Amino acid sequence: QAQIVQSGAEVKKPGASVKVSCKASGYKLINNGMHWVRQAPGQRLEWMGWISGHGHTKYSQNFQGRVTITTDTSASTVYMELNNLTFADTAVYYCAREGPPYFYHYMDVWGKGTTITVSS
Amino acid sequence: QTVVTQEPSFSVSPGGTVTLTCGLTSGPVSTSYYPSWYQQTPGQAPRTLIYNTNIRSSGVPDRFSGSIRGNKAALTITGAQADDESDYYCVLYMSSGIWVFGGGTKLTVL
Repeated sequence: QAQIVQSGAEVKKPGASVKVSCKASGYKLINNGMHWVRQAPGQRLEWMGWISGHGHTKYSQNFQGRVTITTDTSASTVYMELNNLTFADTAVYYCAREGPPYFYHYMDVWGKGTTITVSS
Repeated sequence: QTVVTQEPSFSVSPGGTVTLTCGLTSGPVSTSYYPSWYQQTPGQAPRTLIYNTNIRSSGVPDRFSGSIRGNKAALTITGAQADDESDYYCVLYMSSGIWVFGGGTKLTVL
């Protein structure tokens, strides 16, 4: 059964960077893409970006230039790095597997979320 | 900027039927946007309900159904139960290869 385990909560200062990881199990990373979605306190879900099983990426314009999603297939892990953090980046960050088949363009298995707090 | 619209809130009586919608400010929603729907309760990760307009995800009760109604994607809950009280989000896949979440609908069952 497919599962995703995310890295733990972090506190960062404004201007810093954060790198969140999602370790996949029960399936091969190369077979499914991975989405990153965030949710600020009391706010809606927001799509950040996606990486295909072969490393192709797409990012939301809202994060273009600040976010990088990478994959390490040998470690079955996907990473999301967000740079130049501001207080507005305080949120829960989720990764979600691209549901099969890929051409249905949805998310099927979700991680439990990683809380990132930006505080001075 | 593409905006996906949802009703901010909705209320349904236990056992009743409710239809939540998902629209686009730029035009009609069709199956080509591959609408999907997600349920989220406070403090929890989202749960996938519906994908590709009307396919129920594994384990989702058949009281949840998806469709296109008029110019919008729709999620219908038939025979609402107390534990359906949640936030519901739709997601549309754009031709530019990005995904966009709607603003979410807070459903109250009372």
